[in-house]
Amino acid sequence: DAGVTQSPTHLIKTRGQHVTLRCSPISGHKSVSWYQQVLGQGPQFIFQYYEKEERGRGNFPDRFSARQFPNYSSELNVNALLLGDSALYLCASSLVSRQETQYFGPGTRLLVL
Amino acid sequence: GESVGLHLPTLSVQEGDNSIINCAYSNSASDYFIWYKQESGKGPQFIIDIRSNMDKRQGQRVTVLLNKTVKHLSLQIAATQPGDSAVYFCAENKGAQKLVFGQGTRLTINP
Repeated sequence: DAGVTQSPTHLIKTRGQHVTLRCSPISGHKSVSWYQQVLGQGPQFIFQYYEKEERGRGNFPDRFSARQFPNYSSELNVNALLLGDSALYLCASSLVSRQETQYFGPGTRLLVL
Repeated sequence: GESVGLHLPTLSVQEGDNSIINCAYSNSASDYFIWYKQESGKGPQFIIDIRSNMDKRQGQRVTVLLNKTVKHLSLQIAATQPGDSAVYFCAENKGAQKLVFGQGTRLTINP
C-alpha cells in the first residue's frame, strides 16, 4: 500500500512569492496534518484537517493556509514568502481525528531565496 | 506551556550494544506519546507509541518505558544495528492530532 505522498519533493522560491504544497494521505485516512521542520529542530504543528474542516491550528501567521478536498488530499498554501519559511514541510495522515497514530510523508523541502 | 524535551542531542553506541534515548515532558495530564525515527532526507517514521495507562510497551527490538511519577519516557533499542542511525524524536499528542516534538537525539552507531 502506498504511504503518504507529497509533491513536489523540492522547491525554490524567492521572497514575496507564494507556494502550494500537496499531500495525499494513506488510503482510508481522513485526517491530514501539516508540520514545518526547520533544519536541526523537531517538526512544528501548523494545521490539522479532518473531514474537510480545520480542526487545529498551530502558532503560524495568516500567511499560512490549507484546505482538504473531498478525496481527503490536502494543500498547504504560504503567501508572501519570507527567508525564514525555508524548511521541510511534512504532511501526516491518520484514520480519525483524535489520538490516532500519524504517519508522515517524505516532505517537501522549500528554499526561499 | 508545552514542553517535550530530549536529554541528549547526540548519542553514540557500539554496534550490537543496547541504546537508550530519554525524553522528559512537563504536563502531568499528558496521556499519549509516540517515538519517531527520522533518517536523513526522509520524513519521521513511526516506531512505537504508549498511552498513560501503560508503563511499558514492547515492539520488535524496541521498548518504550513511561514513568508518570517523574514525567519521563525512554526508548530502548536492543542490539543496535547500523540501520538504526537516525534522529529520534519523542512526541506528545496534544489532541486534535497536534503532535508536539522534542528537539531530537541523533543516534550514531560505531562499527
